[in-house]
Amino acid sequence: GNSVTQMEGPVTLSEEAFLTINCTYTATGYPSLFWYVQYPGEGLQLLLKATKADDKGSNKGFEATYRKETTSFHLEKGSVQVSDSAVYFCALRSGAGNMLTFGGGTRLMVKP
Amino acid sequence: NAGVTQTPKFQVLKTGQSMTLQCAQDMNHEYMSWYRQDPGMGLRLIHYSVGAGITDQGEVPNGYNVSRSTTEDFPLRLLSAAPSQTSVYFCASRPGHGSDYEQYFGPGTRLTVT
Repeated sequence: GNSVTQMEGPVTLSEEAFLTINCTYTATGYPSLFWYVQYPGEGLQLLLKATKADDKGSNKGFEATYRKETTSFHLEKGSVQVSDSAVYFCALRSGAGNMLTFGGGTRLMVKP
Repeated sequence: NAGVTQTPKFQVLKTGQSMTLQCAQDMNHEYMSWYRQDPGMGLRLIHYSVGAGITDQGEVPNGYNVSRSTTEDFPLRLLSAAPSQTSVYFCASRPGHGSDYEQYFGPGTRLTVT
């Protein structure tokens, strides 16, 4: 079946540091890949997506590239801000009903 | 548009009690789904629906029932609550099957079973 593995947190960074959150996946067929963000007390919001190999998704300074050869979709940001503190979920969509499969989530804490 | 709405926001149940978590969307989306969120496990799919009158099981369906009598509503029923069902529940919807369709999440219901 489908599965998503992402690095465990929490990840603690100082403001303006470089961020990488690793994500790898196992899936049948050709999944679409997503990063969602959850701010404290809120639901999930789509951060970025990529629907085919070598696509790069980007939004709000975050980027991730769909790497089929390494089955990875790592999230990066060049300079994090305190307001980026949240939980980040990697996810894929494939299979029956084309429903989402999520990783365990990575909590990011950015200190001033 | 209100988007995806869920009620209640918080609920405490005793073991064995029943309740229904409500979910509604006003975007005329075909697809709706329920997830539960547990620490370190991400979100896991409970049940989903690809249209009114059609439902199917997800990864963790045991202990939950759903129905979809209208496009707008997708309630989740716990017939006999157990402590293992303590979790945060999210409802989501999207327009259809295509990979380009964005999935919209509700604000969540935090359920505690004692």
